[in-house]
Amino acid sequence: GAGVSQSPSNKVTEKGKDVELRCDPISGHTALYWYRQSLGQGLEFLIYFQGNSAPDKSGLPSDRFSAERTGGSVSTLTIQRTQQEDSAVYLCASSPKQGFNQPQHFGDGTRLSIL
Amino acid sequence: AQSVAQPEDQVNVAEGNPLTVKCTYSVSGNPYLFWYVQYPNRGLQFLLKYITGDNLVKGSYGFEAEFNKSQTSFHLKKPSALVSDSALYFCAVRVPSGSARQLTFGSGTQLTVLP
Repeated sequence: GAGVSQSPSNKVTEKGKDVELRCDPISGHTALYWYRQSLGQGLEFLIYFQGNSAPDKSGLPSDRFSAERTGGSVSTLTIQRTQQEDSAVYLCASSPKQGFNQPQHFGDGTRLSIL
Repeated sequence: AQSVAQPEDQVNVAEGNPLTVKCTYSVSGNPYLFWYVQYPNRGLQFLLKYITGDNLVKGSYGFEAEFNKSQTSFHLKKPSALVSDSALYFCAVRVPSGSARQLTFGSGTQLTVLP
């Protein structure tokens, strides 16, 4: 079946530009997560959406980062005025319901390179 | 604060030999523990989890892990390694009552199975 889909798979942009990263979760999954993976590092939590509840934005590193989830499905992560330190792989994950004992299903990520 | 340690950045093992990827954790309270695998240019794939019950957990692709509360460890094991097991492995921990950001990933262990 269809898994978590992320687009684009790769994005190269100049410092100072804005970027939008898209995530299509598995149909019916109510929980959606964004993570950042830097080379040689583990995953850094960014933001969490659960159903119609207010998102947990506590992991966003600065006010240049924002995310939304429309209609409880597709999510967009936006980075404004990109900096070179934003270069990383951005991973989206979803899980079928609330409950942190549920495993997460990951997309293949967007590899973001800031020149 | 909770944490996860994967003390080995790299593990090499010959095909057919048993493999172990180590993970130790630190949390306040009872942990939920997870193992994920990541192949090149792919997202993370769930392997197995410990929530409660039997300390020995069996997962996908013949992997298993043993929860050891006294040693605060959750090592990943497989009796006979395959070349196709070569990948990056992540251990993750959270407490049940924690927030979404409190799924903490280790920094990963690169497993190479030599033919």
